[in-house]
Amino acid sequence: EIVLTQSPGTLSLSPGERATLSCRASQSVSSSYLAWYQQKPGQAPRLLIYGASSRATGIPDRFSGSGSGTDFTLTISRLEPEDFAVYYCQQYGSSPLLTFGGGTKVEIK
Amino acid sequence: QVQLQESGPGLVKPSQTLSLTCTVSGGSISSGSYYWSWIRQPAGKGLEWIGRIYTSGSTNYNPSLKSRVTISVDTSKNQFSLKLSSVTAADTAVYYCARYFDWDDAFDIWGQGTMVTVSS
Repeated sequence: EIVLTQSPGTLSLSPGERATLSCRASQSVSSSYLAWYQQKPGQAPRLLIYGASSRATGIPDRFSGSGSGTDFTLTISRLEPEDFAVYYCQQYGSSPLLTFGGGTKVEIK
Repeated sequence: QVQLQESGPGLVKPSQTLSLTCTVSGGSISSGSYYWSWIRQPAGKGLEWIGRIYTSGSTNYNPSLKSRVTISVDTSKNQFSLKLSSVTAADTAVYYCARYFDWDDAFDIWGQGTMVTVSS
């Protein structure tokens, strides 16, 4: 079973700062099968990144994804007020077929 | 624009079966390379994938829930459904339906979610 571990659990930053979120897999994950989501309170998650580095439709270019193998990163270049939320990574391909990381909360410092 | 909407009872008694339906609007459930999934989220916690179905009827389930889960599709109604049997308080969560796009290998469209509480 592949376990996705996200760090840090909480990231306290100010608007305009750079956010770097980590997602580490217990086994190698194909880059094609790693996605990132944003979730705000009371809302469903929203797809940000698929294929480790491709932005979903309508996602601003301040969001970028990178990584391969077991280490993946979501970077928000300059935090906007609407970016404070919880972020999840997700992998496809190993039993369970689909798994999510535990999430990283980006909060206003 | 495709939209998903969950529906079903908000309260289920322990040991009973939780039943939810997801209605797809703005597009056909049978079109394209899509799998139709259920995902849940207990209050204050992370996301757990429950399972998915293709319009052919082919299913995949999370092994941790497989013995209790059935996902089915009704293409004539543009709906897919979740049944989770023998529920306990641990099954209390917000349940989301979501579309998994095979080309992007990601959940690209989500329903708004529905809260289900298991309590007597």
